[in-house]
Amino acid sequence: RKEVEQDPGPFNVPEGATVAFNCTYSNSASQSFFWYRQDCRKEPKLLMSVYSSGNEDGRFTAQLNRASQYISLLIRDSKLSDSATYLCVVTFGGATNKLIFGTGTLLAVQP
Amino acid sequence: DTGVSQNPRHKITKRGQNVTFRCDPISEHNRLYWYRQTLGQGPEFLTYFQNEAQLEKSRLLSDRFSAERPKGSFSTLEIQRTEQGDSAMYLCASSYRTGAYGYTFGSGTRLTVV
Repeated sequence: RKEVEQDPGPFNVPEGATVAFNCTYSNSASQSFFWYRQDCRKEPKLLMSVYSSGNEDGRFTAQLNRASQYISLLIRDSKLSDSATYLCVVTFGGATNKLIFGTGTLLAVQP
Repeated sequence: DTGVSQNPRHKITKRGQNVTFRCDPISEHNRLYWYRQTLGQGPEFLTYFQNEAQLEKSRLLSDRFSAERPKGSFSTLEIQRTEQGDSAMYLCASSYRTGAYGYTFGSGTRLTVV
């Protein structure tokens, strides 16, 4: 079983739509949680952290449910520029602090 | 440019050849990571350096792969006797702290083995 699982999509949505991505992680010792965005053939870039209390950054809302080992990302009022792959990421902390990535969910916002 | 720099951007090589990639991290970052990303997958961790010490290697890093970070500055990743399955994007990242904050990725080196 993969450590971080995501629906690969693609999610094809019209501009202005609200779209939600989900992710599950297998290791209950996971300490930190993030969403990254990756444009085609580019490097991944940090979008936002995810906290149990939920956090919002403009049109983006992230939520963590530790009991269910579940992470979500909600995008409201989708823009064409939101089209990208969204990667769910966890870390276990420790000396290495490597990032464990999901496979990513592809979002295509249609005009 | 104060970002993470990777060279070359693209590399096409014949199966069986050796290739070497270079990563120049952000100068004040003591942590350096290599990841590999294949089509349709997220990046996978390969190895980690803290300063010049290689502190962790993934089991993905077969004996054909070797990474170095002499003097704790730039790093190189060498693949010997390349195979078609090595075709991927090789990403380098550097960081000065724990957590994803301060974690900066380079643009990657795209390797195609023909």
